[in-house]
Amino acid sequence: QKEVEQNSGPLSVPEGAIASLNCTYSDRGSQSFFWYRQYSGKSPELIMSIYSNGDKEDGRFTAQLNKASQYVSLLIRDSQPSDSATYLCAVNKFEIQGAQKLVFGQGTRLTINP
Amino acid sequence: DADVTQTPRNRITKTGKRIMLECSQTKGHDRMYWYRQDPGLGLRLIYYSFDVKDINKGEISDGYSVSRQAQAKFSLSLESAIPNQTALYFCATRRDGDSGANVLTFGAGSRLTVL
Repeated sequence: QKEVEQNSGPLSVPEGAIASLNCTYSDRGSQSFFWYRQYSGKSPELIMSIYSNGDKEDGRFTAQLNKASQYVSLLIRDSQPSDSATYLCAVNKFEIQGAQKLVFGQGTRLTINP
Repeated sequence: DADVTQTPRNRITKTGKRIMLECSQTKGHDRMYWYRQDPGLGLRLIYYSFDVKDINKGEISDGYSVSRQAQAKFSLSLESAIPNQTALYFCATRRDGDSGANVLTFGAGSRLTVL
């Protein structure tokens, strides 16, 4: 089982609709969860972070976390063509020596159709 | 200037050649990372360093080595490049002490092609 799993897509959504991106993780001790957006040929950029169960909203973006189900999602409302990108889910993982590192999923490629 | 600078941005090399990818940062962060990205595989951690004296292997360190020459510099080396090391490589930094945050700042990436 991969430590962080995403549906690689591609996910195609009409403009103005809600895009839903999902991620599951295996380490129950993880406390911090992140969504990065990556445009083609560019570096990832952080768009959302979430640490507590429930929803966190930031503009058109909502992150949802369910630690019991080890599941984190990202909703994009009123999708725009500029939202077309690959979305990477990242989860912090605690090492035996106490260090933390981020583990990324394989990314979901999202296309918003005008 | 970018906070995290990677050089070279693009490199084409031949099998067996030694390659070094360099990363420098002006953010004053203690923690530096090298990731590799392949299509459909996301970002995979090669090596990471929490300070100049601390180097740790990531999930795919075989075939790579690193050097943390200073707090601001972290280099990745391929001693004898092979074609399956063709990928996009990212350097990233993080400030120590970010309780639970783990927010990474990425460089622009170095695209390496091994023929």
